[in-house]
Amino acid sequence: DAGVTQSPTHLIKTRGQQVTLRCSPKSGHDTVSWYQQALGQGPQFIFQYYEEEERQRGNFPDRFSGHQFPNYSSELNVNALLLGDSALYLCASSGRLRQASHEQYFGPGTRLTVT
Amino acid sequence: EDQVTQSPEALRLQEGESSSLNCSYTVSGLRGLFWYRQDPGKGPEFLFTLYSAGEEKEKERLKATLTKKESFLHITAPKPEDSATYLCAVRGYGQNFVFGPGTRLSVLP
Repeated sequence: DAGVTQSPTHLIKTRGQQVTLRCSPKSGHDTVSWYQQALGQGPQFIFQYYEEEERQRGNFPDRFSGHQFPNYSSELNVNALLLGDSALYLCASSGRLRQASHEQYFGPGTRLTVT
Repeated sequence: EDQVTQSPEALRLQEGESSSLNCSYTVSGLRGLFWYRQDPGKGPEFLFTLYSAGEEKEKERLKATLTKKESFLHITAPKPEDSATYLCAVRGYGQNFVFGPGTRLSVLP
């Protein structure tokens, strides 16, 4: 049973550039959430996708956008990169949005470095 | 606003020395409290979900408990391989997860 997968593993970008990160959820899961984790901190919620729509959003600017595809995979796009966007970006998947347990399972993350 | 704090920030134990990690939370309508383990540079690994005060769950050397305001992760006779950052998160009526900053645990042989 494949778990949550993310690509790429590492990425180096220059300030002002744009980046796209990808996530495939765990088999049987249809809800995908994205998190940003700075070094030494806990994950910060960016947004959540369910049925190809953004359902919830954390306190992140519009430079952060996403998409969910019919096969439940998801992309995170970040425009006009800033040095402060350097972090580990985590994707988490879970079962149906209204499911009581709603346990999230995380992928290995994408380490983004902005220079 | 939902909030999670964790203490201590870092903890060093000798192998076999039991201890507890604390997670204090404020949330509007708790729909779940979650514990994760995270190794450096990797994604968090799910450990436990707790739903109501008084609930307890165990897995190997780990035991999680829940009250109305906090949760404890008890580690009994830890081994060096238990060294990791332990993260606590809550899910309230807002439904998104709010994570604490984590506790960095080091178990020395």
